[in-house]
Formats: sequence, C-alpha cells, structure tokens
Amino acid sequence: DTAVSQTPKYLVTQMGNDKSIKCEQNLGHDTMYWYKQDSKKFLKIMFSYNNKELIINETVPNRFSPKSPDKAHLNLHINSLELGDSAVYFCASSQDREAWSSYNEQFFGPGTRLTVL
Amino acid sequence: AQSVTQLDSHVSVSEGTPVLLRCNYSSSYSPSLFWYVQHPNKGLQLLLKYTSAATLVKGINGFEAEFKKSETSFHLTKPSAHMSDAAEYFCVVSDQKGFQKLVFGTGTRLLVSP
Repeated sequence: DTAVSQTPKYLVTQMGNDKSIKCEQNLGHDTMYWYKQDSKKFLKIMFSYNNKELIINETVPNRFSPKSPDKAHLNLHINSLELGDSAVYFCASSQDREAWSSYNEQFFGPGTRLTVL
Repeated sequence: AQSVTQLDSHVSVSEGTPVLLRCNYSSSYSPSLFWYVQHPNKGLQLLLKYTSAATLVKGINGFEAEFKKSETSFHLTKPSAHMSDAAEYFCVVSDQKGFQKLVFGTGTRLLVSP
C-alpha cells in the first residue's frame, strides 16, 4: 500500500514545453508539500498546501503552479520548461501543518526525475 | 531562520564498525530535528526525529541521535554498520513556530565496505 505516490517517475521533455506531475497520498493527511532536489542532492521546499489552501510559497518562479483539487492530491504544473528545471521533484505529506505539532513528520513520495533537453 | 550544516560530505566505514554522521544546526526557536535516509534512486525515509522530549532519540535500523543544545548538534550514530546502510543521509531542522518548513542539510554519503 503506497502512502505517497507520484506520477510519472521519469519525465523527459524539451525546453519550452508545459508538463505536470501528480501526487496522491492515502494517509489521510491535511498538509502536502513539493520539494526540489537539484543535481547536488540539495533539497529545498517549494510549496505547502493545507486542506487545498496554499500556505507556503518559497519564491518559486510563477512558471510553477501547484494545484490541489482535494486534500489527498497536490499536482505541480510547470510552464515553459527551462534547462534549470531539471531535477528530482518530491511530494510529501504530514498530518498537521503546525511546526510545533507532535505529528510534524513528513512522508515522502518516490520522486519524479524531470529532464529538460 | 533555521539552517543545518552537515560537516562531512562523505563518510567511509567498514562493515561492523561504528557510524558517526555529524550535524550542527541553527534555529531561532526551539527546533525539531530529523534524520532522513535516501537510498540510490529512492525517496526519503525518516530515520528518527527529535521534538523536545528525550534528548537521546532512537530510530529505525539501529540508528540513534543525541540532541545537544549547548553544542547545537544532532549527530547520528550506529554501533555497527551494515552494507545496506550505504546511502545518503540528510539532517533536517524545522523551527517549532508557524507552519512546518523543513530545511535540509547538504547530505552525507555513507559508504560501507566489506
């Protein structure tokens, strides 16, 4: 039973294209996240949603638009892809959104490796 | 603002010997601290977490970490390395204020030789 799943696992596309990555969690969590891992393995948060509401936006270019149709899904749409967007994108979820909560651990999906040519 | 420094980019050990992965943190508020492991081409798995309860935290697969406020450290240890421990390890901090926001260290690659 996969807790946090992402599709696709691999995505290869040309510069300038628009693409989407989907994420679903079956943990019943209220909060979901997108992270970007660059070629040096550095992970950085991009967005956080709580019950379909955007709560964290880390100065990501507006070519990136997250969408949460319901609290179990958080998709990432990327317009006009650039070479620098090549990375592994991880989705995660947590039960609570508050940093002080005892339920603050985040569960990560397997990642989507995006390659822009 | 919070930040994490992982002092070693690579650590090499022999199977059966102790593991020590070093992490120092900076936090404006009481921190939550985590260690995550990433096996090659896999997602991230939580090893253990500290959230202001016991300072010695035990995790999965025999790993443990000790929170030392005076040293602002949260080093990860394991008494005896196994070949399957070879992976990338991330120390992570989150201020216990506002919305959750994990800040990752740059990672330490653990290499285990037979």
